[in-house]
Order: sequence, then C-alpha cells, then structure tokens
Amino acid sequence: QKEVEQNSGPLSVPEGAIASLNCTYSDRVSQSFFWYRQYSGKSPELIMSIYSNGDKEDGRFTAQLNKASQYVSLLIRDSQPSDSATYLCAVTWRAGSYQLTFGKGTKLSVIP
Amino acid sequence: KAGVTQTPRYLIKTRGQQVTLSCSPISGHRSVSWYQQTPGQGLQFLFEYFSETQRNKGNFPGRFSGRQFSNSRSEMNVSTLELGDSALYLCASSPAPSKEGYGYTFGSGTRLTVV
Repeated sequence: QKEVEQNSGPLSVPEGAIASLNCTYSDRVSQSFFWYRQYSGKSPELIMSIYSNGDKEDGRFTAQLNKASQYVSLLIRDSQPSDSATYLCAVTWRAGSYQLTFGKGTKLSVIP
Repeated sequence: KAGVTQTPRYLIKTRGQQVTLSCSPISGHRSVSWYQQTPGQGLQFLFEYFSETQRNKGNFPGRFSGRQFSNSRSEMNVSTLELGDSALYLCASSPAPSKEGYGYTFGSGTRLTVV
C-alpha cells in the first residue's frame, strides 16, 4: 500500500517567519511530487511540483526533495496571513497504477 | 482560459437513489481524474480517464462508476447511495495521464449530501 504521510497540524507561525511543511512517502518507486494549497471551502490549487532531488524555488516557496530518505518538504518564506490554508502533499508512483496519491494535509495558520 | 467546470455544485439525495456528476476539463486536457474528499479520509482517488479509457481505479465499490466522452468531458455515477457517500467530489484535469508527471487542475467540486 503506497501512502503519503503528513502532520495534520495545525502549524502556527508568526507573520514574516518561515513555515516548514513536511511529507514522507512509503515507496521508492515514486516519480513526481506536488504541493497543493487548499483554502477552507475551496478546491486544491497546485503551487509546486518537483521531480528530482534537491531544491526548487518559486517566489516565496521552496520545495525540497530527498528520494533516499523518502521525504519532500515545502518552505514558505515571509509567511503572510493569506498563506493560512491546508497544504496537501501528493505523489505519483512510477509503477503500477500511476495514480496521484494525496496526504491528508497540514493546516497552516499564520498569525498577524 | 476556462478552468475545470463541475456541475452541479450541490446535491441532496436520499439513500438508495443514484446520482450523476459532470466534469468538463480545461480545453486541450485529455486526462480527467475523480476524487472523493471527506474530513476524515482526505482526498481518496476514484478513477482516472484518458482518451475515453479508464486508466486507473481506486479502492471503491462497484457502485461508483464513470466514463469519458470523445470531447474529454467526464461523468461519474454513484448508484444505491449510502449515507457514507456524503462528500465533496472533485474532478481534476491534466494534459496527459498521471504517469507523465503533470500536475492536476481541480474543479470547484460537487458537494453531495445523502439523507
């Protein structure tokens, strides 16, 4: 059973701080990794994708992938109250059904 | 560019009834996936369609079915509704199947309540 694990939170950070969100996955035959943001009452929105080991930066967001340790993380610099949402990690497996499997998400609260 | 359109937005059904949900993907996207989202289980994969063929199916009973049309629009059907089917049903589209590594764009979802 391929699984994606996230700490449910809530994770509270002060405005302007760095928020660090972590995700681990169960199987090494993973291919693609994604971070989605979901505001309350809204649908998930893709914010980052990463495919190879290392860091990928996009504005205030940095995704980090370590395939050997089977984890992927998302850093949000200069956190804003508008970043308050649930962040979902998702993984596509490289074998079998290739379905995109989601973690249950980490709720982030940025305190003004 | 229009996003992923799901209809209807809200549905209330009675146990034992059946329901059909519709999804129109982003123009040019040929892959459509369906997910069920509940507070306790999070996003659970239902199925994925590409070029009118079901590519993957999640671990849901046979009461859940779907199809995709030649214009890439997709429908999912749930027969013999149960109270536990109450959830937000999300459709997501992508240019290619999930094995190609593209991210998904989600629609606004259909909120199904079974009473």
